[in-house]
Amino acid sequence: EVQLLESGGGLVQPGGSLRLSCAASGFTFSSSAMSWVRQAPGKGLEWVSAISGGGDRTYYADSVKGRFTISRDNSKNTLYLQLNSLRAEDTAVYYCAKESIICSSSTSCYTSAFDPWGQGTLVTVSS
Amino acid sequence: QSALTQPASVSGSPGQSITISCTGTSSDVGSYNLVSWYQQHPDKAPKLLIYEGSKRPSGVSNRFSGSKSGKTASLTISGLQAEDEAHYYCCSYAGSSSHWLFGGGTKLTVL
Repeated sequence: EVQLLESGGGLVQPGGSLRLSCAASGFTFSSSAMSWVRQAPGKGLEWVSAISGGGDRTYYADSVKGRFTISRDNSKNTLYLQLNSLRAEDTAVYYCAKESIICSSSTSCYTSAFDPWGQGTLVTVSS
Repeated sequence: QSALTQPASVSGSPGQSITISCTGTSSDVGSYNLVSWYQQHPDKAPKLLIYEGSKRPSGVSNRFSGSKSGKTASLTISGLQAEDEAHYYCCSYAGSSSHWLFGGGTKLTVL
């Protein structure tokens, strides 16, 4: 069974930093692209960042570019999100999600959806 | 880029069918067949219902179906059941600059 378990959330002051972790099990982690998606309290979902299976390619939403860093340790089956220069508007539940990959040929693969998702970890930015 | 547009709420009675729309632009929904739909119950993680516009993962009830026409994708739930009461979100690939966009979410109430 695929399982994703986030940790590392908490209360942090504006301008502070936090590192989130997502422990994965039940699938070949090193072959799987992963994403972080967040949800502000009472609001909708917002894609934040993604990383390829090997960790050589990373992508960010404009709202977090330059402040957040996604990374992974495939030897530990763990995904990370480093959050720096935090703002009140970064307050949210942060979910990690496995990207569901479809390959139309041996050289053409793409992400089709996010499945499954972890249970989330709450980050609160407040003084 | 702005979020995809969904109605804030829809409702239906048990046994009825409802449809939730998701409107994007020519840069996202209209350009890619990569629309997915997620169901989220209160204080739970989102669950994938539909991918690539109309495909259902194994284990998802065939009461859930998806379609797309132009810049608008739709999720239809037939034979409404009480446990379908939840928030529903659409998502679309939006190219290499915006990557992934979500809709604002639709709250489904089963009357």
